[in-house]
Amino acid sequence: EPEVTQTPSHQVTQMGQEVILRCVPISNHLYFYWYRQILGQKVEFLVSFYNNEISEKSEIFDDQFSVERPDGSNFTLKIRSTKLEDSAMYFCASSLLAGETYEQYFGPGTRLTVT
Amino acid sequence: QKEVEQNSGPLSVPEGAIASLNCTYSDRGSQSFFWYRQYSGKSPELIMSIYSNGDKEDGRFTAQLNKASQYVSLLIRDSQPSDSATYLCAVTGGNTDKLIFGTGTRLQVFP
Repeated sequence: EPEVTQTPSHQVTQMGQEVILRCVPISNHLYFYWYRQILGQKVEFLVSFYNNEISEKSEIFDDQFSVERPDGSNFTLKIRSTKLEDSAMYFCASSLLAGETYEQYFGPGTRLTVT
Repeated sequence: QKEVEQNSGPLSVPEGAIASLNCTYSDRGSQSFFWYRQYSGKSPELIMSIYSNGDKEDGRFTAQLNKASQYVSLLIRDSQPSDSATYLCAVTGGNTDKLIFGTGTRLQVFP
């Protein structure tokens, strides 16, 4: 069964460093998302991406964040200058079609630890 | 601020019993409703989606939606210890496809 994959599973970085989190969405899916979950808190939407551009972003997704689909399979989240409060699980998700009647499937996540 | 509310639990049920999980949402424009299961340290796993009022059954799971009362529930029949996890309610609505999650209800099924 197709699934979303993410690398790395765990990333440790120092405050102020740049990190790139990678995702391979399900192959025939067209809509891609990033969510994050701070330990003990709810899953929060960061950004959605369709047709090589951002379709929606949250207040969390400020100028330090960017997303890119560098080729036909990968979808990346870059955090330019990490802060301690960026420590969280980051989940990539993909959906076959957007609108409101199609399911989003999540990858296994990347645990980001900022020290 | 659009909110999704869940009782954090834990909800403890004996093996073989029915577990009932509830969720309310604030945005009347919400259109799609999802239940995800999340094991500790793992990612959300989609188990049910529901879009119209009424019941939707899939194996041991039944999702129930009442848009007038703005609640959605999940019933798990014949609960198993392997069902022990946190169940997340998520909602989309209006003209957005972003998921708004509740904090989740922790379910414990004891033998």
